[in-house]
Amino acid sequence: AQRVTQPEKLLSVFKGAPVELKCNYSYSGSPELFWYVQYSRQRLQLLLRHISRESIKGFTADLNKGETSFHLKKPFAQEEDSAMYYCALFNFGNEKLTFGTGTRLTIIP
Amino acid sequence: EAGVTQSPTHLIKTRGQQATLRCSPISGHTSVYWYQQALGLGLQFLLWYDEGEERNRGNFPPRFSGRQFPNYSSELNVNALELEDSALYLCASSRYGANVLTFGAGSRLTVL
Repeated sequence: AQRVTQPEKLLSVFKGAPVELKCNYSYSGSPELFWYVQYSRQRLQLLLRHISRESIKGFTADLNKGETSFHLKKPFAQEEDSAMYYCALFNFGNEKLTFGTGTRLTIIP
Repeated sequence: EAGVTQSPTHLIKTRGQQATLRCSPISGHTSVYWYQQALGLGLQFLLWYDEGEERNRGNFPPRFSGRQFPNYSSELNVNALELEDSALYLCASSRYGANVLTFGAGSRLTVL
C-alpha cells in the first residue's frame, strides 16, 4: 500500500533562512510525487511535481529513491511562503493520489 | 476559464440525516475526485469518477456514495450522518489519465 509521511505538522522559519519540508513515502513501484500548497483563504493548488524538475517560487524538490524521500527546499524563506504544504504520491496502478497529513509553514518576519 | 465549482459552501446537518454535495469540473475534464479533509487528518481519498463510472474508492463505509452525470458533474452523498463526518469535502478534476488535480474551494459539512 502506498503511504506518504510528513513528520512535521508545524514548522516555523525566520524570513531569509533556508526552508526544508520533509516528505517520505512508501510505494512498491516507481512513484510520481507532487507538492501541493494551500495559502490562507485559497484553494489547494499544485506547487511542483518531481518529473518537471523545475523550481517554482524558489522551491525545489528532489526525489531520492534510496531514502524514499521528496523533501521540499527553498534557500531563503519569504513571508508569502507561509501556507499549508502537502506532499502527494500518485499510484499508476489504481490512479490514486495519496496525500500526506501536511505541514503548516510559518515564516517569521 | 471557470475553475472547479462546489456547492453548497457550508452545510449543517444533524446526526442520521443525509447530505448531498455537488461539484462541477473544469470544462474538458472527465475525471472527478472527492477527498475528505478532517481536522488533523490531512486529505483522505474518497471516490474517483470518470465517464460516469466509479473507478476507485477509498477506505470509507458504503454510506459514502456518489455519482457522475453525463455532463461530468458529480455529487457526493453521505447517508446516516455521524458527528465524525464533519469535515471539509474537496472535489478535484483532471483529464483522464492526467495525474495533476485541480481543486475546488470545498464544501464544509458540519454534523450536530
